[in-house]
Amino acid sequence: GQQVMQIPQYQHVQEGEDFTTYCNSSTTLSNIQWYKQRPGGHPVFLIQLVKSGEVKKQKRLTFQFGEAKKNSSLHITATQTTDVGTYFCAGPGYSTLTFGKGTMLLVSP
Amino acid sequence: NAGVTQTPKFQVLKTGQSMTLQCAQDMNHEYMSWYRQDPGMGLRLIHYSVGAGITDQGEVPNGYNVSRSTTEDFPLRLLSAAPSQTSVYFCASSGDFSGRALEQYFGPGTRLTVT
Repeated sequence: GQQVMQIPQYQHVQEGEDFTTYCNSSTTLSNIQWYKQRPGGHPVFLIQLVKSGEVKKQKRLTFQFGEAKKNSSLHITATQTTDVGTYFCAGPGYSTLTFGKGTMLLVSP
Repeated sequence: NAGVTQTPKFQVLKTGQSMTLQCAQDMNHEYMSWYRQDPGMGLRLIHYSVGAGITDQGEVPNGYNVSRSTTEDFPLRLLSAAPSQTSVYFCASSGDFSGRALEQYFGPGTRLTVT
């Protein structure tokens, strides 16, 4: 079945440093979604990328979808303590959404 | 709109007990799903439904039953609880899943411990 892999599993940065998480799918995706889960909370939708090579920005967050539509990345510029949480990518299959295992981001002030 | 609601928030069960986790949404979403989240394992799909009266199995369905008699409600039943079912359970809903998956709205979760 479809597999979605994310790296790194965990990253600890100092506030102000940049952060990137990478997502790779075993199959070509029609689109990819990104979610954020704060500690003790539930996943919250951030964005969906649909087009090959698409790049979208949300303030300090930059999302990219690969040309082959099999990989994606999320880059955070100048992290803040409010960025703490686990970031998940998710790719749709037939009637289901497969989540990566997530990247946990810790930010020290 | 309340969005997606789940009850209870916390539950402790003894091995062999049964219980139902409740999930409801008020967004008139056709697609609903149940995930479990375990440390280091991400979100794993248990069961899903593409509309009232239609359910199907996800990645980890064993030990769980679901039904979808209305658009709003999608309860998850644990038939005979086992310690391996200790987890955080999330219900999610989406407007549609035909062709292009739409964003999932998650409930606050139920933290279940089985002793």
